[in-house]
Amino acid sequence: AAGVIQSPRHLIKEKRETATLKCYPIPRHDTVYWYQQGPGQDPQFLISFYEKMQSDKGSIPDRFSAQQFSDYHSELNMSSLELGDSALYFCASSTHSGRTSYNEQFFGPGTRLTVL
Amino acid sequence: AQTVTQSQPEMSVQEAETVTLSCTYDTSENNYYLFWYKQPPSRQMILVIRQEAYKQQNATENRFSVNFQKAAKSFSLKISDSQLGDTAMYFCALTISNFGNEKLTFGTGTRLTIIP
Repeated sequence: AAGVIQSPRHLIKEKRETATLKCYPIPRHDTVYWYQQGPGQDPQFLISFYEKMQSDKGSIPDRFSAQQFSDYHSELNMSSLELGDSALYFCASSTHSGRTSYNEQFFGPGTRLTVL
Repeated sequence: AQTVTQSQPEMSVQEAETVTLSCTYDTSENNYYLFWYKQPPSRQMILVIRQEAYKQQNATENRFSVNFQKAAKSFSLKISDSQLGDTAMYFCALTISNFGNEKLTFGTGTRLTIIP
């Protein structure tokens, strides 16, 4: 079965550079979530999209922006990178659920970003 | 806001034994879902088991079962007949049902080591 695809899998950047992380959801999934997992930490929610619109925002720095495109893939753009941005960035996708239901989030393998 | 607490940073158990991981949570919502995720050394996030808050019956998936105590806001994971492949980081997570906007809130994790 098709899974969530994230690219690149590994990325090394210098401080103050820019990075773009891409996420390709499972076919027919219309909702995308981004999470950041720092070294030795739990994943933290950054931002989510449903049908190309931002649906929720978590602890995402102003230096980061994201969007979901017409084919439902999503990109996380990170500017003015800092050492503290080094982390594993997960994308998860799901189908839209109703008020009293939940559709499982399927996680991608993550992009490991290292900022030097 | 939702919070999830895992008070056991590390645990170890002999192969074939049973181990229980603890999790407590807090939410003011009535309709929510609880999860246990496994993160092996590959860092992939794997859903182990889920529990709907409105269901009184504890969820079971093969060797994995939960003890869901709603009044106490407790959600423990029991792994029976533990195997070497169970060695991983385990995260307890919570989400509220919100029209497809179900960001996950994670605990800080328990690192489980299965000893041969």
